[in-house]
Amino acid sequence: DQQVKQNSPSLSVQEGRISILNCDYTNSMFDYFLWYKKYPAEGPTFLISISSIKDKNEDGRFTVFLNKSAKHLSLHIVPSQPGDSAVYFCAASDSGDDKIIFGKGTRLHILP
Amino acid sequence: GAGVSQSPSNKVTEKGKDVELRCDPISGHTALYWYRQRLGQGLEFLIYFQGNSAPDKSGLPSDRFSAERTGESVSTLTIQRTQQEDSAVYLCASSLDRATLEKLFFGSGTQLSVL
Repeated sequence: DQQVKQNSPSLSVQEGRISILNCDYTNSMFDYFLWYKKYPAEGPTFLISISSIKDKNEDGRFTVFLNKSAKHLSLHIVPSQPGDSAVYFCAASDSGDDKIIFGKGTRLHILP
Repeated sequence: GAGVSQSPSNKVTEKGKDVELRCDPISGHTALYWYRQRLGQGLEFLIYFQGNSAPDKSGLPSDRFSAERTGESVSTLTIQRTQQEDSAVYLCASSLDRATLEKLFFGSGTQLSVL
């Protein structure tokens, strides 16, 4: 039973345009959401997070939007840069349970 | 180094053998996680250690898998009688404490190949 779903295995975006990565979750107890970025042969690195009390969090070129009623979140990257090419993992946690549940990831390709 | 260190980086073993994977978390980090990533799959939670509390073993896939942690330092993940489906990248991560769960620092992983 996948609690965190990233339905797009890959996404290609032109350099300079906006990249939008989507994530859906099923567990209504999740109250903290995170995005991690992973390059080949490296461990994932934390990118940005959002608490369930907010619907938007922005950090430079990265913005995460949370729609609790739809159990959906998205990561926007604008403008997209070549170094953004990586696998992006959506993750969620429940403050009453210390596990962090990850999705399968979306591979983002930034095209020149 | 200051990051999470995992060893070995690569391990090739024969089916039926036991393997031991090691994780050195960042000094002072009380929370430690093990995850597994099989080919084409996401990060699968295995086990979580927090300080001196009993570990959360709910993600371990079978009784062939076990993990230990000495205090707030090194952790070892042991897989007994390895099977081909155990082939995966095993990732370790640590965080400062429960309040900063969101900022996990991952190691580069151990690529396990079971022949």
